[in-house]
Amino acid sequence: DAGVIQSPRHEVTEMGQEVTLRCKPISGHNSLFWYRQTMMRGLELLIYFNNNVPIDDSGMPEDRFSAKMPNASFSTLKIQPSEPRDSAVYFCASSKTGPPKETQYFGPGTRLLVL
Amino acid sequence: AQKITQTQPGMFVQEKEAVTLDCTYDTSDPSYGLFWYKQPSSGEMIFLIYQGSYDQQNATEGRYSLNFQKARKSANLVISASQLGDSAMYFCAMRAIDSGNTPLVFGKGTRLSVIA
Repeated sequence: DAGVIQSPRHEVTEMGQEVTLRCKPISGHNSLFWYRQTMMRGLELLIYFNNNVPIDDSGMPEDRFSAKMPNASFSTLKIQPSEPRDSAVYFCASSKTGPPKETQYFGPGTRLLVL
Repeated sequence: AQKITQTQPGMFVQEKEAVTLDCTYDTSDPSYGLFWYKQPSSGEMIFLIYQGSYDQQNATEGRYSLNFQKARKSANLVISASQLGDSAMYFCAMRAIDSGNTPLVFGKGTRLSVIA
């Protein structure tokens, strides 16, 4: 079975440019999470969706960040305009409704560098 | 609100020895789950073990076991017979489990180095 797929794996861009990160969750999973990992702040939630509906976006840093999930098999995280402080690894994770021990499966991450 | 504290930024262990990675937590949720993830240098997040707040027994998964002490709000990971491949970052995380799929809250992590 394919795991969570993220693209691109690496992105280098210049300050002010738009960046779009993509995620394909595991088939049959109904929840999708976007996390960001930095040295200073560790792993933190940006936003999550249940059944394609955004539930909590309180972790989104500011209006420059937006996320969509148009269908059960695709989500995007967009940064516009990007800033150097957005440099981080962005993880997408998915899970399905089930017993409490049902874990979240993480994608390989997108390593973003904003110059 | 939930909080995870991992007080050991880095740990060293001799190959074949056991090691304990500390994790304490705080939450107001009556039902919660505790998770440990491994992040090797390649960057992926690998799920290791789960402990539910109402589980009577400590969880075990192969060489991994979780020393769960609810009264102390601790959920330490024990790795037995350490291997060189265990060298990685280890994250303790938790989430509420009585309200569907909820996000994980992570600790800062512990970097484990296994020495030959």
